[in-house]
Amino acid sequence: DAMVIQNPRYQVTQFGKPVTLSCSQTLNHNVMYWYQQKSSQAPKLLFHYYDKDFNNEADTPDNFQSRRPNTSFCFLDIRSPGLGDAAMYLCATSRGVGQGPQHFGDGTRLSIL
Amino acid sequence: AQTVTQSQPEMSVQEAETVTLSCTYDTSESDYYLFWYKQPPSRQMILVIRQEAYKQQNATENRFSVNFQKAAKSFSLKISDSQLGDAAMYFCAYKQGNMLTFGGGTRLMVKP
Repeated sequence: DAMVIQNPRYQVTQFGKPVTLSCSQTLNHNVMYWYQQKSSQAPKLLFHYYDKDFNNEADTPDNFQSRRPNTSFCFLDIRSPGLGDAAMYLCATSRGVGQGPQHFGDGTRLSIL
Repeated sequence: AQTVTQSQPEMSVQEAETVTLSCTYDTSESDYYLFWYKQPPSRQMILVIRQEAYKQQNATENRFSVNFQKAAKSFSLKISDSQLGDAAMYFCAYKQGNMLTFGGGTRLMVKP
């Protein structure tokens, strides 16, 4: 049973056209993360939510925003995608501080035309 | 800042043989977790094995085991009886609090 669900699996957008990626979880975990992973590289953390508290990584571009309307859902908004934003975007969850490993979704592969 | 280093970008193993993937990390903390994740091509990242830093005993999950050397800050993964399905990218990761830091990954190829 999928516990972290990302939609869509593949997303194509045009250069500069806003796009939203979604993630939902059935684990009732407190923490939700968004990672960007480019080909053959390690995932890079963009930001995370601990409940409603938003934590942005210092080098995350301003182009990237996130929303978490409730425990189950978290969205990644890319306001004006550039060619360099083409990547796999991974959503992950964990129970909280020092508790449990992170569970990952299948990812959304974003292509920019 | 914590760093995680995987010094082997690629490794190759013959089916049914044993292979060890290396990982070192840098931290000043004493309480943390270490993980190995497997990411097959175009597939979901999944947890292979985890180790709590306060436990001296090395974690084992079936064919997967770790050699955790806390003083040396080393956390290697041993895969015994390698199978074709083990072929994937393997990421070592360090977790302290909410933050998970990944190594650069090791691509494991399994030869039939």
